[in-house]
Amino acid sequence: GIQVEQSPPDLILQEGANSTLRCNFSDSVNNLQWFHQNPWGQLINLFYIPSGTKQNGRLSATTVATERYSLLYISSSQTTDSGVYFCAVDNYGQNFVFGPGTRLSVLP
Amino acid sequence: EAQVTQNPRYLITVTGKKLTVTCSQNMNHEYMSWYRQDPGLGLRQIYYSMNVEVTDKGDVPEGYKVSRKEKRNFPLILESPSPNQTSLYFCASSFRISGTMGDTEAFFGQGTRLTVV
Repeated sequence: GIQVEQSPPDLILQEGANSTLRCNFSDSVNNLQWFHQNPWGQLINLFYIPSGTKQNGRLSATTVATERYSLLYISSSQTTDSGVYFCAVDNYGQNFVFGPGTRLSVLP
Repeated sequence: EAQVTQNPRYLITVTGKKLTVTCSQNMNHEYMSWYRQDPGLGLRQIYYSMNVEVTDKGDVPEGYKVSRKEKRNFPLILESPSPNQTSLYFCASSFRISGTMGDTEAFFGQGTRLTVV
């Protein structure tokens, strides 16, 4: 089945810093989403981005489907950005495959 | 507001006592699924449903049952819960684009934290 990798596994930032999270996947996909899991365990939809670039406030994402990767950019990070960021893909199957996540800690 | 609603959010139960976690979506999505999340193992699919009365096993179906009698509801049933089913559970739904097997954006519920003692 499709493999999803994320890097880095852990990231510690000072408030106000910028960061880039990466997601690599092993096969073509028809759906790719980024999620933020907050400290209470809730999965928050960030982007539905099977291809192209989207922006939402301080966050933006780019997926280059032909090269099988996606990037999530966080600018001017805040302590509320802390949590785990997941990339998940669906490759025309029945299963939404999640990456292992990037754990982000933003320090005040 | 588009949403997937799970209940309960938190549940502590004893081994062997049957329980049901409900999931309801208000987006008229055909496709619904259940996942469990465990430390070190990530999120894994338990069961999915392509439409009413159509369900199938995911990666970790043992010990679980599901039903899809109505399009909006997809309950997860644990007939005889065991401690190894202690986990964080998520329900999800999406619109499946016919003819391509593709999906639009998937929406996840708030999660149900289950502890079996």
